[in-house]
Amino acid sequence: EADIYQTPRYLVIGTGKKITLECSQTMGHDKMYWYQQDPGMELHLIHYSYGVNSTEKGDLSSESTVSRIRTEHFPLTLESARPSHTSQYLCASSELVTSGGDTQYFGPGTRLTVL
Amino acid sequence: DAKTTQPNSMESNEEEPVHLPCNHSTISGTDYIHWYRQLPSQGPEYVIHGLTSNVNNRMASLAIAEDRKSSTLILHRATLRDAAVYYCILRDPYGGSQGNLIFGKGTKLSVKP
Repeated sequence: EADIYQTPRYLVIGTGKKITLECSQTMGHDKMYWYQQDPGMELHLIHYSYGVNSTEKGDLSSESTVSRIRTEHFPLTLESARPSHTSQYLCASSELVTSGGDTQYFGPGTRLTVL
Repeated sequence: DAKTTQPNSMESNEEEPVHLPCNHSTISGTDYIHWYRQLPSQGPEYVIHGLTSNVNNRMASLAIAEDRKSSTLILHRATLRDAAVYYCILRDPYGGSQGNLIFGKGTKLSVKP
């Protein structure tokens, strides 16, 4: 059973607001990820981290930023939300291994709507 | 990164086996074949992975062609809870994507009672 949590599960917010989506995991995983998924569409990797103080941009350009101050915590921030940011945001984690067999564990997602 | 090709959708009857195909003709020698599934309104979950040999676990079986250019995910007895989008993904831990998973559109599996 995966122990990865995301809050809030649903967020409706007005344009221009600053928001932070929380993600935490209790598995001690070094690597963490943020994906963005529009309804019925593919998941796109927007950020990932190899460990504390490491952040990397993913395949899809995003106006969001991330930080990794603690191993278990990987929050995503939008400084000024816009309607184009409306989407589902999924957090995941995995062990930091160099083999091809490591598994990613996903949280339940945060569904963001910007009015 | 090597790409995969999957049918957009498939239908199955409950309690019957389901064979979900995946083509990956440009697979490299270091690519692992991963399968994830995403149930409605949930995050993806790991199903199975393999490199060269067929693999079995409690959720499914993975049959890999001898030339590794295709693979098949086998659900032995589909249940209504297996209705989901199934993703076939190649993962190269040494490749340009830093070993990250790259999700495609997947196959939407419908299970009829």
